[in-house]
Amino acid sequence: EAQVTQNPRYLITVTGKKLTVTCSQNMNHEYMSWYRQDPGLGLRQIYYSMNVEVTDKGDVPEGYKVSRKEKRNFPLILESPSPNQTSLYFCASSRTPNYGYTFGSGTRLTVV
Amino acid sequence: DQQVKQNSPSLSVQEGRISILNCDYTNSMFDYFLWYKKYPAEGPTFLISISSIKDKNEDGRFTVFLNKSAKHLSLHIVPSQPGDSAVYFCAATLFNNDMRFGAGTRLTVKP
Repeated sequence: EAQVTQNPRYLITVTGKKLTVTCSQNMNHEYMSWYRQDPGLGLRQIYYSMNVEVTDKGDVPEGYKVSRKEKRNFPLILESPSPNQTSLYFCASSRTPNYGYTFGSGTRLTVV
Repeated sequence: DQQVKQNSPSLSVQEGRISILNCDYTNSMFDYFLWYKKYPAEGPTFLISISSIKDKNEDGRFTVFLNKSAKHLSLHIVPSQPGDSAVYFCAATLFNNDMRFGAGTRLTVKP
C-alpha cells in the first residue's frame, strides 16, 4: 500500500530534550515536506526537500532541522524542544506537489 | 502573513444540496491552487487542483473555480453527502515547492 509513515503518533517530552520524528514513504517520491498544524493557523510548512541532499526552509523553520540522506526518509529533528513547538506535525511526499501531496497520519507532540 | 485565507471557519448544509467553500489569496505569483479534505485523526487528503491559467476544473462531484482578478477560488460539492463532513483546506503553491495553506473550513452535511 502506497503510504507515508510517521513515528511516533504521540509524544510527550520535556523542554530541551532532543527528539526525532521519523518519516518514510514507499512511493519513490522526489518531494517531501514537513508541516505543523495549529488551531486557527492551518498547516504551515517547516522544511521541504526536492530530492536527496536538497532541503530548504519553509515558513516556520526556527527550532527544527531535517536531513534527506535517502529518498524514502525525511526525519524532523528538534534539537532543544520548547513548549511553543507543541503541535500536530505532518509529513508529506509527492512526485509533483502541484498535483497534491500524500500526507502521513500525523504526530501529536507535547513539550512540557 | 497569511497569504491564503479561508474566512469561514464552518459551514453547514443539507444532504443533497450544494456546498460552496471559499478561499482568498494575496500573492498573485501562486501558480497552482489545491483543495484538501481532512478527517479527525488522519492526515489531509488531496481532492482537486487547478492551474492559475485555468478558471475551472471538475472531478466528479467536486468543481474548483478560480477568479484571478478577485484572487478568489471556491470549491463546489454537488450533491453534498454526509461522508463529505470534514475540514477542507485550501492551498496554493509557488514553483512546485512552497505550499501555503488556509486555516480550514469545517463542513457539516446533515442527513
